Amino acid sequence: GENVEQHPSTLSVQEGDSAVIKCTYSDSASNYFPWYKQELGKRPQLIIDIRSNVGEKKDQRIAVTLNKTAKHFSLHITETQPEDSAVYFCAARMDSSYKLIFGSGTRLLVRP
Amino acid sequence: DVKVTQSSRYLVKRTGEKVFLECVQDMDHENMFWYRQDPGLGLRLIYFSYDVKMKEKGDIPEGYSVSREKKERFSLILESASTNQTSMYLCASTLSGGNYGYTFGSGTRLTVV
Repeated sequence: GENVEQHPSTLSVQEGDSAVIKCTYSDSASNYFPWYKQELGKRPQLIIDIRSNVGEKKDQRIAVTLNKTAKHFSLHITETQPEDSAVYFCAARMDSSYKLIFGSGTRLLVRP
Repeated sequence: DVKVTQSSRYLVKRTGEKVFLECVQDMDHENMFWYRQDPGLGLRLIYFSYDVKMKEKGDIPEGYSVSREKKERFSLILESASTNQTSMYLCASTLSGGNYGYTFGSGTRLTVV
């Protein structure tokens, strides 16, 4: 079945710096890749997603890139702010299923 | 504005008890899911359902069962709770017919003593 690996498990950056979180997936049939942000004590919230027919997508300070050949995708956060501190999860889904397979999560800490 | 509601935020149960975790969504979503969240392991799929009375096992179904008698409600059942089922349980739902992200519930933190 599908497997999603996420790195790093923790990431600490200075406010204003960029943060990059990387994920790899195993099943080449996967075609949908969302990213979720989970603040302490809250539910995961979808922040951005990308489909396999697109290589990059941006939304203000966040962007996601997808390399289908290498089977990896990344989340980029620019000009980080303390409110970006949270756990971020990547996920992948195959066309034949509605279930998401999640990575193990990255705890991002933005130091003021 | 809350769209996926989990009935309990915190729950403490004794080993061997039968435990019901309830999830209700008001978005008319066909697909519903139960995940457990543990530190360092991310979100692992327990069971999911594509339609009323339909269910499929996820990656870690052992020790759990589910019920979906109505479209809006998806229940997770721990037949005989054990301490290794102490975890955060998250319910989610999504539409069929395209690539849509999940809407998650707030989670139920279950402690089995």
